[in-house]
Amino acid sequence: DTEVTQTPKHLVMGMTNKKSLKCEQHMGHRAMYWYKQKAKKPPELMFVYSYEKLSINESVPSRFSPECPNSSLLNLHLHALQPEDSALYLCASSPPTSRVNEQFFGPGTRLTVL
Amino acid sequence: AQSVAQPEDQVNVAEGNPLTVKCTYSVSGNPYLFWYVQYPNRGLQFLLKYITGDNLVKGSYGFEAEFNKSQTSFHLKKPSALVSDSALYFCAVRYNNAGNMLTFGGGTRLMVKP
Repeated sequence: DTEVTQTPKHLVMGMTNKKSLKCEQHMGHRAMYWYKQKAKKPPELMFVYSYEKLSINESVPSRFSPECPNSSLLNLHLHALQPEDSALYLCASSPPTSRVNEQFFGPGTRLTVL
Repeated sequence: AQSVAQPEDQVNVAEGNPLTVKCTYSVSGNPYLFWYVQYPNRGLQFLLKYITGDNLVKGSYGFEAEFNKSQTSFHLKKPSALVSDSALYFCAVRYNNAGNMLTFGGGTRLMVKP
């Protein structure tokens, strides 16, 4: 299985809602990433998990809360979001070795905040 | 700091003609460079990477890239463009000494016309 899956594909939420995005991979990768991507822009790194521990938080607002319950799963919990948080949220994974490896991306969750 | 630049927002080419999507880089140390493609409302797909060795790197879907150290460039090429190659292309560089984290260029939209 060489695929990263993300659910849901689309999500519409109000500013007072609490929702979660889910990402899963079964490639044995021990590094997982969350990105935010606005239309026609490059992905912006949000969080990096290495061996299920948060290693990078790129100054992301606390209304985004990541969680890595095990080596295959990565969640992004959302609460009290703003309309400007509407974007495509991408998950990726890679082997966290000293070798140079590409990241494998999921298809993304299209989030709309009303 | 590692960075890549894609000087063209859009490249237009006729089907069957060769295509080039440009990327220049600025790194300290060895450059580890990647190309990804993104189709509408999809995640990023890995095309190819340069680590070391041969300056001409061959990748997926008939794409190749030429690493040029003197010009600090890593241009993406294909001998004969297809309409289905129309997509958003991102050049990326690995963070220095930081696992497999990436910094992306701004992206280039490739339009292949029949």
